[in-house]
Amino acid sequence: DTEVTQTPKHLVMGMTNKKSLKCEQHMGHRAMYWYKQKAKKPPELMFVYSYEKLSINESVPSRFSPECPNSSLLNLHLHALQPEDSALYLCASSQDPGGWSEQYFGPGTRLTVT
Amino acid sequence: SQQGEEDPQALSIQEGENATMNCSYKTSINNLQWYRQNSGRGLVHLILIRSNEREKHSGRLRVTLDTSKKSSSLLITASRAADTASYFCATDANDMRFGAGTRLTVKP
Repeated sequence: DTEVTQTPKHLVMGMTNKKSLKCEQHMGHRAMYWYKQKAKKPPELMFVYSYEKLSINESVPSRFSPECPNSSLLNLHLHALQPEDSALYLCASSQDPGGWSEQYFGPGTRLTVT
Repeated sequence: SQQGEEDPQALSIQEGENATMNCSYKTSINNLQWYRQNSGRGLVHLILIRSNEREKHSGRLRVTLDTSKKSSSLLITASRAADTASYFCATDANDMRFGAGTRLTVKP
């Protein structure tokens, strides 16, 4: 199984809502990532989990809160978002952290903040 | 922050032609990777080239790496309409950084 799954595919939320994005992989990968991608722009790294521990937080606002409950799951909790947070949120995993191996990406969650 | 910079930003060719995309980066790397992204979807890994390699092939793809010039190129030979996508280079440098990407359009 070389698939990374993400749910939901689409999410519309108001600025006062709390929601969560979910990501799952069953490849035994030891690193998992959250990226944010705006239209016609490259993915921007948000968070990196290495061996279930947060290893990189790219100065992301606290309204985004990552969680790694176990080695297969990665969540991104959203609270009090702004319209400019509307984007495609991509999850990825890799065998090794630190860019040493290829990353497998999920299809993304298209988030719209109203 | 972005590490790699691709050029051209957009490329339009006819089916059967070759497409060449370039990537430049700023800091030392352990490896460089190329990814493809179809519109609004997740990225697909194409090829990884390590810093001690100069060239790598995978099917119709050929990647070169020149660490002295801090640059890489991706060549797609005999392009097909299905190759229409955005192509990104990504460097590790401790964590993955993607370049701005090249939007390739292959006309049938």
